[in-house]
Amino acid sequence: SAVISQKPSRDICQRGTSLTIQCQVDSQVTMMFWYRQQPGQSLTLIATANQGSEATYESGFVIDKFPISRPNLTFSTLTVSNMSPEDSSIYLCSVGTGRHQPQHFGDGTRLSIL
Amino acid sequence: KQEVTQIPAALSVPEGENLVLNCSFTDSAIYNLQWFRQDPGKGLTSLLLIQSSQREQTSGRLNASLDKSSGRSTLYIAASQPGDSATYLCAVWTGTASKLTFGTGTRLQVTL
Repeated sequence: SAVISQKPSRDICQRGTSLTIQCQVDSQVTMMFWYRQQPGQSLTLIATANQGSEATYESGFVIDKFPISRPNLTFSTLTVSNMSPEDSSIYLCSVGTGRHQPQHFGDGTRLSIL
Repeated sequence: KQEVTQIPAALSVPEGENLVLNCSFTDSAIYNLQWFRQDPGKGLTSLLLIQSSQREQTSGRLNASLDKSSGRSTLYIAASQPGDSATYLCAVWTGTASKLTFGTGTRLQVTL
């Protein structure tokens, strides 16, 4: 299975600032996704990162707040903009090669906003 | 809209017991169902993937079954060990949505 590296692994940020999370995969993948896991909750899909085009956002998530880039088939970034304490969560990158194959996850980025 | 529910939310068993975790989903038009484990402070580890045409998958002490028509899956863990302590999540890939929808999770603790 693909090896997924996510950076940073954790961060503590000030209110109003922005943080960019990187996701690097050791092989080309068709699909890359970004999820949020709020404390004590399950995973919620933020968006699907599309190579060479704008990301597809889920209901409740907007590009201005969570801009996403995917310049190639092995790399994506998620930016959490103008952060508030409500953004304190684990953000996870996930990759897949099709609906008949398992989806794999990075170790996540633990983000705390003061 | 697909909804995935897991029961129980938490479970504590003594070491050596066999146990069953349950997952139910509302839309049976799925392509596959995947079981994950999540250790505290970690990402997700894929355990088993069951295609919609399959009835079960096995990996070591783990066996997952799928009844697509009734919208149910079970994860059977044989001879549980303290190292099995984690949160177990099921997720379904629904055709119309083209994405994984996650369940609420079952937090398992295996005691000595």
